[in-house]
Amino acid sequence: GAVVSQHPSWVICKSGTSVKIECRSLDFQATTMFWYRQFPKQSLMLMATSNEGSKATYEQGVEKDKFLINHASLTLSTLTVTSAHPEDSSFYICSARVGLAGAYNEQFFGPGTRLTVL
Amino acid sequence: GIQVEQSPPDLILQEGANSTLRCNFSDSVNNLQWFHQNPWGQLINLFYIPSGTKQNGRLSATTVATERYSLLYISSSQTTDSGVYFCAVLSGGYQKVTFGTGTKLQVIP
Repeated sequence: GAVVSQHPSWVICKSGTSVKIECRSLDFQATTMFWYRQFPKQSLMLMATSNEGSKATYEQGVEKDKFLINHASLTLSTLTVTSAHPEDSSFYICSARVGLAGAYNEQFFGPGTRLTVL
Repeated sequence: GIQVEQSPPDLILQEGANSTLRCNFSDSVNNLQWFHQNPWGQLINLFYIPSGTKQNGRLSATTVATERYSLLYISSSQTTDSGVYFCAVLSGGYQKVTFGTGTKLQVIP
């Protein structure tokens, strides 16, 4: 149980285009999902916390208009990188938390999406 | 914000050896998890351990929340244990998740 999928697993796009990444909880409902970014040989950095039915909470330094997050259902959150540039190239990982919003429960991670912007 | 430091940053082991990885955090936390990130980037849950001790096969973990640290023990290491190990904590009123700096483990035959 507690499986999280991400799609696509990798994407290459031209500078200026937008890319959408989907994160799904396959066998549980997730009121809270998280989006992380990981540069090579570095740790994961939290970008935003996504709660179903409400606006995402972004971490300091993360541009809300550039990284659009939608959590329209209890099993799906999407991250759209708008007008992507080469510096947005990174490994994007989502996670979903089991249990009720606000509960201190375990997170499960998707397999990640490697974005390369040319 | 909370600081989460892991040590050692790099570790090379001979197959069959034992090791201890440490995670120190600078403030009280609501929960703590250990993960193994494989070479393809997938994060695999090892332990959800806000306090106490847990064991799963060759791995075990101990968190002493009052002293703000957690330990991950790997016994009889295998080459498949190679990868990066992260701890991650949940803290604060906004329940922010903060990942540690990571320990890169290489197990050689």
